[in-house]
Amino acid sequence: DAGVIQSPRHEVTEMGQEVTLRCKPISGHDYLFWYRQTMMRGLELLIYFNNNVPIDDSGMPEDRFSAKMPNASFSTLKIQPSEPRDSAVYFCASGAGTGDEKLFFGSGTQLSVL
Amino acid sequence: GQSLEQPSEVTAVEGAIVQINCTYQTSGFYGLSWYQQHDGGAPTFLSYNGLDGLEETGRFSSFLSRSDSYGYLLLQELQMKDSASYFCAVNYQLIWGAGTKLIIKP
Repeated sequence: DAGVIQSPRHEVTEMGQEVTLRCKPISGHDYLFWYRQTMMRGLELLIYFNNNVPIDDSGMPEDRFSAKMPNASFSTLKIQPSEPRDSAVYFCASGAGTGDEKLFFGSGTQLSVL
Repeated sequence: GQSLEQPSEVTAVEGAIVQINCTYQTSGFYGLSWYQQHDGGAPTFLSYNGLDGLEETGRFSSFLSRSDSYGYLLLQELQMKDSASYFCAVNYQLIWGAGTKLIIKP
């Protein structure tokens, strides 16, 4: 398996634009997580899915953020409109939920909002 | 509130042993995990403790005491490649510590 695949690796956009981040989890994993990492706030859980259903989105900063998982092999995180404070590295991770709590992370998307 | 406390930075010498502590305060507890992250990279899983005691994986070991709300990661025979940030996380990785930057000197 190629691991968790995220795209794009880097995204530079202007304030007010819509940004869509994509994630393909490892096949067979039932759990998918979206995290945001910044120097100031560390690693923050935004939302996680179990079997394509959002379970906890309490970490989503505000209504500008939305996430979907239309099927077991694809998820998106959308920011509309984007703001400079959204600049961060966004990670997607998947896990099998077998009890050892092991998550596999994608390489992340470095988002810069100018 | 829920929080995890770990030192922000630890320095050690190549070949030595280092311990990184993590104390947690959570409403409910299901397990403590450890991840390693190199600069510019993604977190990678190191270890998980669901029950009290020591888990060993090669040069790395992790310990948990549920009664003390405390755990640690032990790295032995330190190598330069172990220079990275180490994160503890609890409850299915829903809550993360701020990370400990491990600096290794030759």
